[in-house]
Amino acid sequence: DAKTTQPNSMESNEEEPVHLPCNHSTISGTDYIHWYRQLPSQGPEYVIHGLTSNVNNRMASLAIAEDRKSSTLILHRATLRDAAVYYCILRDRAGGTSYGKLTFGQGTILTVHP
Amino acid sequence: DSGVTQTPKHLITATGQRVTLRCSPRSGDLSVYWYQQSLDQGLQFLIQYYNGEERAKGNILERFSAQQFPDLHSELNLSSLELGDSALYFCASSVGLHTGELFFGEGSRLTVL
Repeated sequence: DAKTTQPNSMESNEEEPVHLPCNHSTISGTDYIHWYRQLPSQGPEYVIHGLTSNVNNRMASLAIAEDRKSSTLILHRATLRDAAVYYCILRDRAGGTSYGKLTFGQGTILTVHP
Repeated sequence: DSGVTQTPKHLITATGQRVTLRCSPRSGDLSVYWYQQSLDQGLQFLIQYYNGEERAKGNILERFSAQQFPDLHSELNLSSLELGDSALYFCASSVGLHTGELFFGEGSRLTVL
């Protein structure tokens, strides 16, 4: 599986934007970029995903570099509820031997201060 | 609520014992995944089933086995338990074999004493 690199931790203040970076220099043409987050004492939850173009949904925005070797998850106004571990994951859209499983790294621990 | 149901939520047992964890996927989802989360290893993929068939295998120990039944629910069997098997076990489901986001349950916390 292609690998991603994320900072171990980041901090933000409530109601400020947060930019969570992810490097994936070995990304292949069939890899989607997925973001999941895990709130304390809960299972991971899907945040957003994209292939080449920037994506927006009700939770966040995903900005993808033109060469696709990096991406940034943007939380426009952080709330205390956004404190979680954020995982950037590459998922092979062609399936292949991975059959769609997600390989989680260590992720970024986001702390949000009131 | 993700729609994925896992039972039991908590389980305490002794070394050498065997336990079964159960997962009911979201309605309509054909893929079921099992993950193990421990403090030192993070989230580790164990195994994936799709419509009753095993499709992908991760770092699953030989002492562990799983299956997916015709009604699509899945069970993870852990035997000859060791202290190091203490962890959170998550089940997730998705609609397709390699498509669709994964929806995770709340996990089963296993403590081996």
